[in-house]
Amino acid sequence: EIVLTQSPGTLSLSPGERATLSCRASQSVSSSYLAWYQQKPGQAPRLLIYGASSRATGIPDRFSGSGSGTDFTLTISRLEPEDFAVYYCQQYGSSPPAYTFGQGTKLEIK
Amino acid sequence: QVQLVQSGAEVKKPGASVKVSCKASGYTFTSYGISWVRQAPGQGLEWMGWISAYNGNTNYAQKLQGRVTMTTDTSTSTAYMELRSLRSDDTAVYYCASDLTVTKAFDIWGQGTMVTVSS
Repeated sequence: EIVLTQSPGTLSLSPGERATLSCRASQSVSSSYLAWYQQKPGQAPRLLIYGASSRATGIPDRFSGSGSGTDFTLTISRLEPEDFAVYYCQQYGSSPPAYTFGQGTKLEIK
Repeated sequence: QVQLVQSGAEVKKPGASVKVSCKASGYTFTSYGISWVRQAPGQGLEWMGWISAYNGNTNYAQKLQGRVTMTTDTSTSTAYMELRSLRSDDTAVYYCASDLTVTKAFDIWGQGTMVTVSS
């Protein structure tokens, strides 16, 4: 089973700053099947990025994803107040078919 | 609009079973699968399994094999997740989710159902 490790656990930044969140896999992951989600308290997760770098419908272009193999990154270019939330990476593997989530990175206001 | 609407909160005793529903609307239900994801209080997301709404095929997370059953009712566009032999660590918000863009990412989620297991 592939394990996804996200870092840092908590990231403290100010609005307007750049955020870089990391997701590392225990073995190589298909870039086609790496996604990122944002979750705010009391809400369901919201898809931000799929296929490692494609923005989901309606996601602002300040959100970008990159990476391949075992190392993936979510970048928020200029933080807006509404971006402070918990972010999860997720991968899909086919043998056996299963989805795995990282443990999350909490992005908090400094 | 495209949405998944789940049933309400449940309180169960240890050893009991719970069945959560997820009603789909706004898209062709039988063209996609439904996954179930849970989140214990203050914790991360855990994928529980997937069911094809087309033919009922299922894939369950290994740790839940034997305790979970996922089904669908195509006449009402509703998916169900039943979890048996409940324990206190099954206390969580349970979400249904679907991948309408067929990218192995969940682009639509239900609102969540809180299941509390307590004696």
